Amino acid sequence: DAGVIQSPRHEVTEMGQEVTLRCKPISGHNSLFWYRQTMMRGLELLIYFNNNVPIDDSGMPEDRFSAKMPNASFSTLKIQPSEPRDSAVYFCASSQNRDGAQYFGPGTRLLVL
Amino acid sequence: EDQVTQSPEALRLQEGESSSLNCSYTVSGLRGLFWYRQDPGKGPEFLFTLYSAGEEKEKERLKATLTKKESFLHITAPKPEDSATYLCAVVGPGGGNKLTFGTGTQLKVEL
Repeated sequence: DAGVIQSPRHEVTEMGQEVTLRCKPISGHNSLFWYRQTMMRGLELLIYFNNNVPIDDSGMPEDRFSAKMPNASFSTLKIQPSEPRDSAVYFCASSQNRDGAQYFGPGTRLLVL
Repeated sequence: EDQVTQSPEALRLQEGESSSLNCSYTVSGLRGLFWYRQDPGKGPEFLFTLYSAGEEKEKERLKATLTKKESFLHITAPKPEDSATYLCAVVGPGGGNKLTFGTGTQLKVEL
């Protein structure tokens, strides 16, 4: 299995620009999670989907962040407009509901200048 | 609100020097406790899931144990390749598959 695939792996953008992060979960997994990791706050859950439906978005920092999952094999996390404080590593993870173990992708390292 | 505290924040061991990492949690109705390993520049790698007090799981030099208040990750005769950050996470009763992570223990094993 290819594991969770994320793109791009690195993104450098300027403040105010739109950023779109992409994720392909492991085939057969029906839950998908977006996390943000920083030195100060560690790993924080932003939003998660179950069977393509958003279940809990309480971790989304503000309206500038949005996430979609149009089908079982693709999800996006969008930041518009981006700000320097959004700089972090963003991880996507997927799981099968039955055991709860989440499998993480390699992450997207975002730098907003 | 679920809380996870890991200690120590950092640990330096000599190769072959066994030790334990601690994960204390506050969850009313634990549904699962997870251990992950994270190497620099990579995503967390799943190691173990523990569901109930008294449960133990092993993988190579690692053994995870669980009580009603904490979990330990025992590392026996570590090697330099065991150097990584070890993360603990919990799922509570109302959390679906929502993990709450600790801040991790950064382990360095030296020759």
